[in-house]
Amino acid sequence: EVQLVESGGGLVQPGESLRLSCAASGVTLSNYWMHWVRQAPGKGLVWVSRINRDGTSTTYADSGKGRFTISRDNAKNTLYLQMDSLRAEDTAVYYCAREGVAFDNWGQGTMVTVSS
Amino acid sequence: SLVLTQPPSVSVAPGKTARIACGGTNIGSKTVHWYQQNPGQAPVLVVYDDSDRPSGIPERFSGSNSGDTATLIISRVEAGDEADYYCQVWDRGVVFGGGTKLTVL
Repeated sequence: EVQLVESGGGLVQPGESLRLSCAASGVTLSNYWMHWVRQAPGKGLVWVSRINRDGTSTTYADSGKGRFTISRDNAKNTLYLQMDSLRAEDTAVYYCAREGVAFDNWGQGTMVTVSS
Repeated sequence: SLVLTQPPSVSVAPGKTARIACGGTNIGSKTVHWYQQNPGQAPVLVVYDDSDRPSGIPERFSGSNSGDTATLIISRVEAGDEADYYCQVWDRGVVFGGGTKLTVL
């Protein structure tokens, strides 16, 4: 069974940083492009970033350009999202998602709250 | 990038057919995927590539896509289908619709 487990969320103040992790089991992550998607409380899904299979190509939504960095460690079967200069509007549940046929596997999400 | 417009809510009686629209300029030229999300849970893929179903998804779920509108079709609606539904395409990045809350009356 494929499992994606996010961690690293929490409460931070504006301007601070967080690194989210997404650990995979039951699947070899290096076979897939991987994505981060977020969802603010009571709001819809918003795509954040993606990374190709070997980590050499990344793409970001405008909201995270210059502040977020997606990366992966295929040896550890883990995806990351480094988030710097966090803002109140970054408050959301962050999901990692596998791109198979569309986003066919999602983690359970990790909550990030940015507040003073 | 493309903007995808969904109705905020759709209501349907049990046993009837629900149709959830996803509008976007020339969306018919793109591949559309649909996700179901229950409260407090992660999204689940229910239709991919406009009209295909992942394994484990009931045949009651189907889709169509033409012109400026893609549609998720849920036949013989059950109480357990009540959830939020999101359409998604790739257009210079991943784009999601705003989501539709399906209420089963």
